[in-house]
Order: sequence, then structure tokens, then C-alpha cells
Amino acid sequence: DTGVSQDPRHKITKRGQNVTFRCDPISEHNRLYWYRQTLGQGPEFLTYFQNEAQLEKSRLLSDRFSAERPKGSFSTLEIQRTEQGDSAMYLCASSLASDLGETQYFGPGTRLLVL
Amino acid sequence: AQKVTQAQTEISVVEKEDVTLDCVYETRDTTYYLFWYKQPPSGELVFLIRRNSFDEQNEISGRYSWNFQKSTSSFNFTITASQVVDSAVYFCALSDRTGGFKTIFGAGTRLFVKA
Repeated sequence: DTGVSQDPRHKITKRGQNVTFRCDPISEHNRLYWYRQTLGQGPEFLTYFQNEAQLEKSRLLSDRFSAERPKGSFSTLEIQRTEQGDSAMYLCASSLASDLGETQYFGPGTRLLVL
Repeated sequence: AQKVTQAQTEISVVEKEDVTLDCVYETRDTTYYLFWYKQPPSGELVFLIRRNSFDEQNEISGRYSWNFQKSTSSFNFTITASQVVDSAVYFCALSDRTGGFKTIFGAGTRLFVKA
């Protein structure tokens, strides 16, 4: 296991369609994060899991977005009824949380284009 | 509130020049962590360094060095003898206890190194 992987790397969809992205974290990591990054900006936090529990969701995460991490391993991020404004890079990161803080390691991202 | 400011949007240098990327952060916590990440054109965020708030010792790693100054809330990054391969967007980031140790990113500095 060499790092965080994400699938697909690119997705083009039509407005109104549903899309699902997958993230496989580094195997021993207990936390998994989703971020969104638009052109010229830094990553913005969307949500994170500690094991299988979703501990926090950003206000950026509308009702059309849902994330799961069913067995505390891989995670999926689904966007329903996509809108053109959803076009962005979706980044996944994982970390091993401890009392001494954590370092997040990022995957290559999924670039979404909504037409 | 947490905030990370990278005032330099773009920097252009000629190969072999030294370049410093500025980062100013805001936090009310006494325990926090600062990070630098590199994002090359491929898009993947690459972790470079993490500093803990209780350790102000500067660090050098090859051509990279970091200057952490709590008095000015700054965590600047210097690349010595820059190379074309250093061309990328560099993000400074912060996580603290109040934010649940979520990572907040600056807007990034795009570095162009010309041959």
C-alpha cells in the first residue's frame, strides 16, 4: 500500500446526473477526509470520518452530497443531481490521528466536469 | 478563528535563484500544527513538512528550509537554488485543537521557475 488512491481520476457528466467517487486510504489510517478544490483556490474541507463514523460535515456540503465509509476502510462520495457549480477537483486524504496531531496524505484527486 | 494567508499569488524566478514563500496564520489555540504542501501540475498534493506550535526550531531539508516565528505568526518556506522541477503551487496549512485538527489551507502561491 503506497498511498491514497482515488477512482475515477476524471469524470465528465451532464447536469442532473448522479456521480460517485471512491477513495482508498492508506491502510493503517483511521481518519479519512474529503476536500473540494476549485481553480486558483486551496482545498476546502467537506467532511471527515474517524473509522466508520462521519464526525463532521462542512456547510459547503449540501443535501445533494453524501459520503460513506461503511467498514472504516474505503469511502465513497456521491453527488446527486449534479450542477455546473459542482465542477471541481475532489480530493481525499487520510491520516493516523493521535494526541500529537496528524498529517494528512492526499490522493491524486477526481476532477469532475459538469456540462 | 483559523486563517491562513499566502499573500503572494504568483512568483516567477530564474533557475538557481533563491525564493521565499510567505505564510501568515491566525489561531487562538496554543496547540496547533503548520504544514506546507506542494501541488505540481499533475494535481496531487504532496506533503512537505509539519511543525508543531511548541517547536520553533527552524528546519532544513536539502534545498528546502522553513522559518517558523510565533512572534509574527509566520511560517515561511525558502527554496535555495531553485530548479524547474520546483514549479508548482505551494500551500501553507494550519490545524488546531479548536478546529478539531481539521486542516485549513491558504489560497496557495504559484511558483514558476524558468530555465
